[in-house]
Amino acid sequence: QKEVEQDPGPLSVPEGAIVSLNCTYSNSAFQYFMWYRQYSRKGPELLMYTYSSGNKEDGRFTAQVDKSSKYISLFIRDSQPSDSATYLCAMSLPSRNNDMRFGAGTRLTVKP
Amino acid sequence: EAGVTQFPSHSVIEKGQTVTLRCDPISGHDNLYWYRRVMGKEIKFLLHFVKESKQDESGMPNNRFLAERTGGTYSTLKVQPAELEDSGVYFCASSRDQQRAFFGQGTRLTVV
Repeated sequence: QKEVEQDPGPLSVPEGAIVSLNCTYSNSAFQYFMWYRQYSRKGPELLMYTYSSGNKEDGRFTAQVDKSSKYISLFIRDSQPSDSATYLCAMSLPSRNNDMRFGAGTRLTVKP
Repeated sequence: EAGVTQFPSHSVIEKGQTVTLRCDPISGHDNLYWYRRVMGKEIKFLLHFVKESKQDESGMPNNRFLAERTGGTYSTLKVQPAELEDSGVYFCASSRDQQRAFFGQGTRLTVV
């Protein structure tokens, strides 16, 4: 079993839709949870960063962490064609937060 | 402020040859990380520098890989001799606080 599971998609939605991206994980010791966005031929770009459980909102993006279920989510409201990218979840331990464990990434396409 | 820059963006070498990848972190970031993504796999941690010291190199796959960060500024990752399975995208990232890492665009290495 992988430490971090993420459906690679692809996921295609119409412009304006609400997008839900998810990851599950097996190591209950993870404390830091990140979402990265990666455009083609570019490096991952940090979108959201959360510590432990709870919600965090930034503009059209909301990150949720449910540690009891070992489940994290990223919601994108009013999705735009410019949101089309691969979204990677990542997480790390408090003692080794340099060693991020990544999901496989979900490829999202938002159609105009 | 310049981001993390990596050179070259793409390298094609023959099996058995040597390749050196370079990373220039964001100015003022003491923490520098190397990650890689081989075909069909998740991004995986290789090692972490704090200034010029190796903080954690537990992800280095074998002794054909050598990373250096002389003077605590830019870093190089040398693969010698390269093998076919070393093909992939090598990412460098840097951070100020070990929690929010910023990635470069990656070096795509192809070993033929």
